[in-house]
Amino acid sequence: GAVVSQHPSWVICKSGTSVKIECRSLDFQATTMFWYRQFPKQSLMLMATSNEGSKATYEQGVEKDKFLINHASLTLSTLTVTSAHPEDSSFYICSARDRTGGGLIGQPQHFGDGTRLSIL
Amino acid sequence: GQQVMQIPQYQHVQEGEDFTTYCNSSTTLSNIQWYKQRPGGHPVFLIQLVKSGEVKKQKRLTFQFGEAKKNSSLHITATQTTDVGTYFCAGRLTGGFKTIFGAGTRLFVKA
Repeated sequence: GAVVSQHPSWVICKSGTSVKIECRSLDFQATTMFWYRQFPKQSLMLMATSNEGSKATYEQGVEKDKFLINHASLTLSTLTVTSAHPEDSSFYICSARDRTGGGLIGQPQHFGDGTRLSIL
Repeated sequence: GQQVMQIPQYQHVQEGEDFTTYCNSSTTLSNIQWYKQRPGGHPVFLIQLVKSGEVKKQKRLTFQFGEAKKNSSLHITATQTTDVGTYFCAGRLTGGFKTIFGAGTRLFVKA
């Protein structure tokens, strides 16, 4: 089945540093990738939608200068948390939508294992 | 704004009992997807419903999409301990690329 690899799985860093998280679709091409933030025991909060070769679309309330998204190829999207602070500590999870397969109606999303970010 | 409401938030059942979670959207959906997330894991796609009134079954799981394409349900017959996890619905808004996740229903199964 479709596999999405997310790296790193866990990162701890000091306040003020920038952290890059990678999301790769390993066995399919993903024209669209999504970045979510998930708080403990809560649902996924969509942060942004990234399409290959174009600028990401950010959800209301998400700072685009804070969370930089690059989707340079059909298999890779990156999220960079710039100048991270303790309030940015969270579980970040990406998903990718397969470009192949039926029709105009969207394909299911395949999720990475997530990245637990802890800012000290 | 557009919302997908999911209830209940939590459900505790005895093994062998049935379980149902419901999703309701404020707007018509083009499709709805269901995911399962085990504790500590990532969401895993279960199924996608597209047609009005559609019913699909996967072993002990039955998925329904309402006639108005605004609500959906997931029913598990005779729950097992392996069913433990959080079940999310995700509705795709008509005419756009946006998918909104419900808050999830966390299922606890007591052996």
